[in-house]
Amino acid sequence: EDKVVQSPLSLVVHEGDTVTLNCSYEVTNFRSLLWYKQEKKAPTFLFMLTSSGIEKKSGRLSSILDKKELSSILNITATQTGDSAIYLCAVYGSGTYKYIFGTGTRLKVLA
Amino acid sequence: SAVISQKPSRDICQRGTSLTIQCQVDSQVTMMFWYRQQPGQSLTLIATANQGSEATYESGFVIDKFPISRPNLTFSTLTVSNMSPEDSSIYLCSVSPGQGANEQFFGPGTRLTVL
Repeated sequence: EDKVVQSPLSLVVHEGDTVTLNCSYEVTNFRSLLWYKQEKKAPTFLFMLTSSGIEKKSGRLSSILDKKELSSILNITATQTGDSAIYLCAVYGSGTYKYIFGTGTRLKVLA
Repeated sequence: SAVISQKPSRDICQRGTSLTIQCQVDSQVTMMFWYRQQPGQSLTLIATANQGSEATYESGFVIDKFPISRPNLTFSTLTVSNMSPEDSSIYLCSVSPGQGANEQFFGPGTRLTVL
């Protein structure tokens, strides 16, 4: 059965810290991985990763995929209170032909 | 990316009633999906809304409980029928530019509470 596991489940840091969030997956015929930030209700798209070793970057956020290790990391540098949210990853495999979502990492950044 | 709106934003409903959620996109999109997020859980795909034909439902979801319409490439509705407290969730529509492993963008969501 395809599955996506995120770690840690929750994290509390102080402003200015750097955090690394992990997404591990077991899917048939991996095709792509998505990262989202969820505040309140709607997940906001962050990155789409399909190739190993190519870093995607947007401001203080970056992400990279390691197909050999069946995982991806999301890094946030110089965290701010506005980064407090649930971070979700989703993985698409052509076994199920749909995105499977992880349960998310709840990040809280303290001032 | 497309601008997606959902109505209503939230609702409180009585057991046994039905609620229809609307999803409107500001441009034509190939794929539209409906997800559910139960309290403390992650997102679960309910169905793919197909334009002009019946939706494709995931295991555990049936048309009688969650009828879906998609009359054109910019609009879809999801109805939650004969509601029970277990249907209390956030319901999200999402869109994608194509079939398969593409980006998906989510609407603002509908928070449903069933008493």
